[in-house]
Amino acid sequence: DVKVTQSSRYLVKRTGEKVFLECVQDMDHENMFWYRQDPGLGLRLIYFSYDVKMKEKGDIPEGYSVSREKKERFSLILESASTNQTSMYLCASSPAGSTQYFGPGTRLTVL
Amino acid sequence: QKEVEQDPGPLSVPEGAIVSLNCTYSNSAFQYFMWYRQYSRKGPELLMYTYSSGNKEDGRFTAQVDKSSKYISLFIRDSQPSDSATYLCAMSARGGYNKLIFGAGTRLAVHP
Repeated sequence: DVKVTQSSRYLVKRTGEKVFLECVQDMDHENMFWYRQDPGLGLRLIYFSYDVKMKEKGDIPEGYSVSREKKERFSLILESASTNQTSMYLCASSPAGSTQYFGPGTRLTVL
Repeated sequence: QKEVEQDPGPLSVPEGAIVSLNCTYSNSAFQYFMWYRQYSRKGPELLMYTYSSGNKEDGRFTAQVDKSSKYISLFIRDSQPSDSATYLCAMSARGGYNKLIFGAGTRLAVHP
């Protein structure tokens, strides 16, 4: 079974704080992705990575950065959290040429 | 116009009904088609994965792709209350980095 885990299920932060969301997969997948999911807007891709230390911007990268130092781990960083970054954050991973498997999600609230 | 259109519902059906969920798309380059099920406050779970046109069956679920009409469907037979969830269609043009384009999701409620 593919296992994608995310560091927190629920997180509450204050405006201006630096926030780290971590994702780990145990299937040796090449590709990893970060999405946010908002009502009425669906899933939107923030960043993805196709190899260690490689990253590509998705559709909404502004206000976010990522880090992939090890193949199994992909971190999403909010440098200075803002209220409009309150959302459900979903991590996914996939082997090359195949589909994506999602983690349970982190519901982030920025006050 | 969105690349992928999906009726958000909600769709409410009695237990045992056949459910039909649909997505239309505009990009003729899409070749890989997926259906995900997402329970409330959980991550999406892959249900069906098909390549190009045709049908694929897995238990009570059948996925259908009609590339000529740019239309995909998911049928659920003998629907159960445990099928109550949001169903997301997703598609991609190539399998490499497989950037997925998602529909907005259809909320389904199956009542006993």
